[in-house]
Amino acid sequence: QVQLVESGGSLVKPGGSLRLSCAASGFTFSDYYMTWIRQAPGKGLEWVSYISGRAATPYYADSVKGRFTISRDNSKKLMFLQMDSLRADDTAVYYCARGGNWPTYHFDYWGQGTLVTVSS
Amino acid sequence: QSALTQPASVSGSPGQSITISCTGSNSDIGGYDYVSWYQQYPGKAPKVMIYDVSNRPSGVSNRFSGSKSGNTASLTISGLQAEDEADYYCSSYSSTNTRVFGGGTKLTVL
Repeated sequence: QVQLVESGGSLVKPGGSLRLSCAASGFTFSDYYMTWIRQAPGKGLEWVSYISGRAATPYYADSVKGRFTISRDNSKKLMFLQMDSLRADDTAVYYCARGGNWPTYHFDYWGQGTLVTVSS
Repeated sequence: QSALTQPASVSGSPGQSITISCTGSNSDIGGYDYVSWYQQYPGKAPKVMIYDVSNRPSGVSNRFSGSKSGNTASLTISGLQAEDEADYYCSSYSSTNTRVFGGGTKLTVL
């Protein structure tokens, strides 16, 4: 069965960096776009970034462009989110999800989320 | 990348039907049939309920249905049940090859 497991969330100071990981299993990883979505405490969902199956093309929300970098290792079925120049408003639960673009435009599987807290 | 517009809250009594609207623009909802809806319980990951405007994933109750007219998509839940009380989010593909979510709607079953 499809499983997504995020890791790497922690408390970090403003201006700091953090790298999140998403481990996938149960499907042909390279066939799918993979997406990061975040949810600030008490707030709604926000699309952050996604990357094509062959890692050819990443896309970012304006709010993180230039600070976050998405990548993937298809041989290890891993996706990453390198987060630099972190700000307080980056504090959120970060979910990885399968899909977002062809062939699956919706997010059909989600991880349990990992909490990132940016605070001094 | 403006968020889609949803009502903050809706409510209904058991057995009734409710509809949640999601309004965007020609650049997202109006331009593509890639609208999806997600249900989220407190402290849990979201779950897809409707995809590609009106398709229901396997295992989702047929009490959930989706539609679209112009720049507005809608999620209808019929035969409301207590277990339907949750937050609901719409999402759409966008012309900039990005994705956008609605602000979320809290459904209360009276």
